[in-house]
Amino acid sequence: EDKVVQSPLSLVVHEGDTVTLNCSYEVTNFRSLLWYKQEKKAPTFLFMLTSSGIEKKSGRLSSILDKKELSSILNITATQTGDSAIYLCAVEPNNGGATNKLIFGTGTLLAVQP
Amino acid sequence: ETGVTQTPRHLVMGMTNKKSLKCEQHLGHNAMYWYKQSAKKPLELMFVYNFKEQTENNSVPSRFSPECPNSSHLFLHLHTLQPEDSALYLCASSVGIADTQYFGPGTRLTVL
Repeated sequence: EDKVVQSPLSLVVHEGDTVTLNCSYEVTNFRSLLWYKQEKKAPTFLFMLTSSGIEKKSGRLSSILDKKELSSILNITATQTGDSAIYLCAVEPNNGGATNKLIFGTGTLLAVQP
Repeated sequence: ETGVTQTPRHLVMGMTNKKSLKCEQHLGHNAMYWYKQSAKKPLELMFVYNFKEQTENNSVPSRFSPECPNSSHLFLHLHTLQPEDSALYLCASSVGIADTQYFGPGTRLTVL
């Protein structure tokens, strides 16, 4: 059964700290891994990773995929209170170009305290 | 604002009611999705539409009935729901079925 596991489930840090969120997966045929940030309601897209070892960056956020270890990490440096959210990891199996079915983890709840 | 809108944002209904959730995307995308997010559970894919055609029904009970009249609009018709159906229902869209999905704000549904 395809599944995505995220850790930790929740995390409390202080502003300025650096955090690393983990995502591991088991999927029959891997196509891509995605990170989303969910504040209040709607998940917003952060990164899509398809190749191992290539870091993607956006401001203070960065992410990298390790296909050998079937995992990905999301790093946030110099955290701010606005980074408080649920961070969702999702994996897209490769089913030959058919339906884009994302398998989500339960998310990591990050709380950044002033 | 992500370009994907959902209405209503909150809905409370009884088990015998019939209601509909609406999703609209202004991104020119061709694929649309319904997801269910229950407390402490991962997002669950419910339905997928590609060019108005349903391509996936992820074993969803028949009390949930989707409708996609065109590529910009997606509905989820609800009838005789159960309290365990209370959840956040998220709509998403993507350019094609293999492309990044963008989510709407969701509808918080409570079934009494």
